[in-house]
Amino acid sequence: GAGVSQSPSNKVTEKGKDVELRCDPISGHTALYWYRQSLGQGLEFLIYFQGNSAPDKSGLPSDRFSAERTGGSVSTLTIQRTQQEDSAVYLCASSLVHGSYNSPLHFGNGTRLTVT
Amino acid sequence: GIQVEQSPPDLILQEGANSTLRCNFSDSVNNLQWFHQNPWGQLINLFYIPSGTKQNGRLSATTVATERYSLLYISSSQTTDSGVYFCAVDLLRDDKIIFGKGTRLHILP
Repeated sequence: GAGVSQSPSNKVTEKGKDVELRCDPISGHTALYWYRQSLGQGLEFLIYFQGNSAPDKSGLPSDRFSAERTGGSVSTLTIQRTQQEDSAVYLCASSLVHGSYNSPLHFGNGTRLTVT
Repeated sequence: GIQVEQSPPDLILQEGANSTLRCNFSDSVNNLQWFHQNPWGQLINLFYIPSGTKQNGRLSATTVATERYSLLYISSSQTTDSGVYFCAVDLLRDDKIIFGKGTRLHILP
C-alpha cells in the first residue's frame, strides 16, 4: 500500500516514563529496520527484523530498549524509563527481504522523541 | 571495526554547478544505497547500487565494489538538491545496514 507509516510523529515525555513507538511497513515487505538519528548526526542502527525474528539485537543502546514485531507487519519500539539522552528522531524503514538483491530501504517520516 | 566514510562532510555550491560525493567502505559489502535527506528530515532512496553505474535524471552513481568505494554525481545542481546525502552499506560479514555520517550539501540560488 502506501509508504512506511510511523506514529506518533512527535512525542514529548517526562524523564523516567515509558514510551512506545509504532511502525507500519509497506505491505508485503518482510524486513523492517529501526534507526535513531540525533540532531545533526547520522543514522545509528538499532535493530532489524526479517519476518518476526530479530537476528541481531546488539545495536540496541541499553536494556531499556526493546522491540517486537508481530504478524510480520507492525513493529513497536519500546523505551523504558526514558532518559534525556534518548531524545532523538527514531526512524523506521522496510524492504522486501533483508540482504536480497534489489531490495532497497524505504523510510518513514520518523518519530521525534523529546524527553524533558 | 567496519567503517563507512563519506567525503566531503560539507559542500556549498552555486546553483548550476556539478558535484561528486564519495563513499568509502572498509569491508566487502552485499549492497550499497544512496539516500537524500531533505531539510524536513525525510529520507529518500536515490540508488540501490551494489556495483556498476546507474543514472536517474541529473543524478548518477557508480560503485566499484572491488575497490570499496562509490560515487554520487549531481549535475546542474538546483536549490532543491540541498540536504544531506548518505550512503548505506549492507556488510557481508556483519548482518546490519550501516550508514555513513553523510555529506551536507547546500546549493545557493
